[in-house]
Amino acid sequence: EVQLLESGGGLVQIGGSLRLSCAASGFTFSSFAMTWVRQAPGKGLEWVSGMSGGGSHTYYADSVRGRFTVSRDNSKKVLYLQMSSLRAEDTAIYYCAKTQSGSYLFDSWGQGTLVTVSS
Amino acid sequence: QLVLTQPPSVSASLGASVKLTCTLSSGHSSNTIAWHHQRPEKGPRFLMNFNSDGRLIKGDGIPDRFSGSNSGAEHYLTISSLQSADEGDYYCQTWGAGFWVFGGGTKLTVL
Repeated sequence: EVQLLESGGGLVQIGGSLRLSCAASGFTFSSFAMTWVRQAPGKGLEWVSGMSGGGSHTYYADSVRGRFTVSRDNSKKVLYLQMSSLRAEDTAIYYCAKTQSGSYLFDSWGQGTLVTVSS
Repeated sequence: QLVLTQPPSVSASLGASVKLTCTLSSGHSSNTIAWHHQRPEKGPRFLMNFNSDGRLIKGDGIPDRFSGSNSGAEHYLTISSLQSADEGDYYCQTWGAGFWVFGGGTKLTVL
């Protein structure tokens, strides 16, 4: 059974930093691109960042490019999101999502971790 | 520009059927899309998609009441025998070269 467990969320000041983790199990982690998706309070889903299975390719939404860095440790089966220069509008629940075999559509989600950016 | 368009809300009666729509922007009708469901105060859950070979892929435990279809750029999710647990937001999702896209979501209310 695929399991994705996010952690690392919390309350941080504007301009601060935070690192999220997504621990994966139940599948061959290194074979799949992984992504981060967020949901601001009362809003829809917004894709944030993604990384290829081998880690050689990274992708970012314009809203976070230059401030967020995605990485992964395939030996530990963990996906990370390093967030810096945080803004109030980064306040959201952050989910990690796994892509499918042979496709970049998502087929599994974590339960999410809440990031609150406040002054 | 790759955009997914969904109506913001729909309502249907308990036990009835409902058809949700997701429309791909012009020039992108060949994209495959996935459907995800989010109950209130819960994380999203993968429902289904058709892969590039036309084979239906469903999430774990998704009942046969949920079915999908498409016609050109229009993609549909049909839910039959509606239950109260089907309420929530339904999102369609696709991808491009180096990015992923979600529709704005459709809020389903079961009356």
